[in-house]
Amino acid sequence: QKEVEQNSGPLSVPEGAIASLNCTYSDRGSQSFFWYRQYSGKSPELIMFIYSNGDKEDGRFTAQLNKASQYVSLLIRDSQPSDSATYLCAVDYGQNFVFGPGTRLSVLP
Amino acid sequence: SQTIHQWPATLVQPVGSPLSLECTVEGTSNPNLYWYRQAAGRGLQLLFYSVGIGQISSEVPQNLSASRPQDRQFILSSKKLLLSDSGFYLCAWSEGRGNTDTQYFGPGTRLTVL
Repeated sequence: QKEVEQNSGPLSVPEGAIASLNCTYSDRGSQSFFWYRQYSGKSPELIMFIYSNGDKEDGRFTAQLNKASQYVSLLIRDSQPSDSATYLCAVDYGQNFVFGPGTRLSVLP
Repeated sequence: SQTIHQWPATLVQPVGSPLSLECTVEGTSNPNLYWYRQAAGRGLQLLFYSVGIGQISSEVPQNLSASRPQDRQFILSSKKLLLSDSGFYLCAWSEGRGNTDTQYFGPGTRLTVL
C-alpha cells in the first residue's frame, strides 16, 4: 500500500524562525512530490513541487528531496503568523496523488 | 488562466436524502478531474477521478457515485446520504500530461449530514 506520512504536529515556531516540515513516503517509484498549504476551513493551495534530488527554492520556501531515503521536506524561512496553517505533502504515484495527513504549523508572534 | 468552481459552498442534508455536488473548470480542455473528501481533522481521501468524458474510476467503495457529462464538468452524487458522508468535498483538476501533473483544488463544499 502506498503511504505518505507526516508528523501531525502542532509544530510551533516563533516569528522569524525557520519552520521545518517533513514527509516520508513508501514507494520508491514515486517521481513527483508536492507541498500544499491549507488554511482552516479553506481548500489546499499549491506551494511548490519537486521531482529532482536536492533543493528547490521559491521565495521563503525551500523543498528538499532525498529519494534514496524516501523523504521530502519543506523549509519556511522567516516564518510569519500568516504561515500558520496545515501543510500537506502529496506524492504522485503516476495515476493519482496520495496525500499525507498534514502537519499543523503555528507561528507565534 | 484556469478557474475551478464548486457549488454549493455549504450544504446541510438529512440522512437518507439525495446529494448532487457540481464542479466545473474553465480555461483548459480535457483536464483530469478528481473528487476528494476530507473528514474533520483528517487527510484527503480520493473518491473518484476521471481522465475524460464518461470515464470514471472509483477509489473507495461507498454509496457515492460520480459522473462527467461534459469535458469540464464533474458531478458527485448519492441516492441516500449517511451520517458518515459528512465532510469537506474538494474537486481538483490537472492537465493530465507532462512529467509533473500538478493538481489544483476548487474552493470546496462543506457537507453536514444530520
